[in-house]
Amino acid sequence: DAKTTQPTSMDCAEGRAANLPCNHSTISGNEYVYWYRQIHSQGPQYIIHGLKNNETNEMASLIITEDRKSSTLILPHATLRDTAVYYCIVRPGGDDKIIFGKGTRLHILP
Amino acid sequence: EPEVTQTPSHQVTQMGQEVILRCVPISNHLYFYWYRQILGQKVEFLVSFYNNEISEKSEIFDDQFSVERPDGSNFTLKIRSTKLEDSAMYFCASSVQGHGYTFGSGTRLTVV
Repeated sequence: DAKTTQPTSMDCAEGRAANLPCNHSTISGNEYVYWYRQIHSQGPQYIIHGLKNNETNEMASLIITEDRKSSTLILPHATLRDTAVYYCIVRPGGDDKIIFGKGTRLHILP
Repeated sequence: EPEVTQTPSHQVTQMGQEVILRCVPISNHLYFYWYRQILGQKVEFLVSFYNNEISEKSEIFDDQFSVERPDGSNFTLKIRSTKLEDSAMYFCASSVQGHGYTFGSGTRLTVV
């Protein structure tokens, strides 16, 4: 029942921008794109979400294509502490539950 | 920054025993959730709770599981008769109605 497709793993050099892609070709008009991450053995952490427009906060930027069928999470200056599993999730806003897939395991290399 | 607090961080119990996992959600949050993660597997939804009742539960959340908000601050998950396959990390989360959930750091439950 996965609504999103992400690469299994990615590497990025420390200090460089990490660009994590996500495909969500069946996204509905009322569904948002959310990104969470899980650092080893910790609870998932909310990063950012968006509907149509690109979004930026202190952690990351979210770029959503005009047709909304894919998006990219950008960590502008990756550090070793950004090594984690990153989950792209599509869901309506509100209290609807989050369903986690397998995500992308991002390794930041020194 | 407000946190979701979970206790204990690690619980070891014998098969067949009852366990209660405790969570203190963020104070102004209204929606509460339990998730679990078996070692090496995905984070799985168990139950959501709003207005003092369960709003949704997964097929994992069978009659052995129950949740309660006994005093307006704590949110508990009870497993009545633990099985070996209940061994997992259990995460509590809370949210204001909207977008970002805040998760706790989890309780590692080991059933022996």
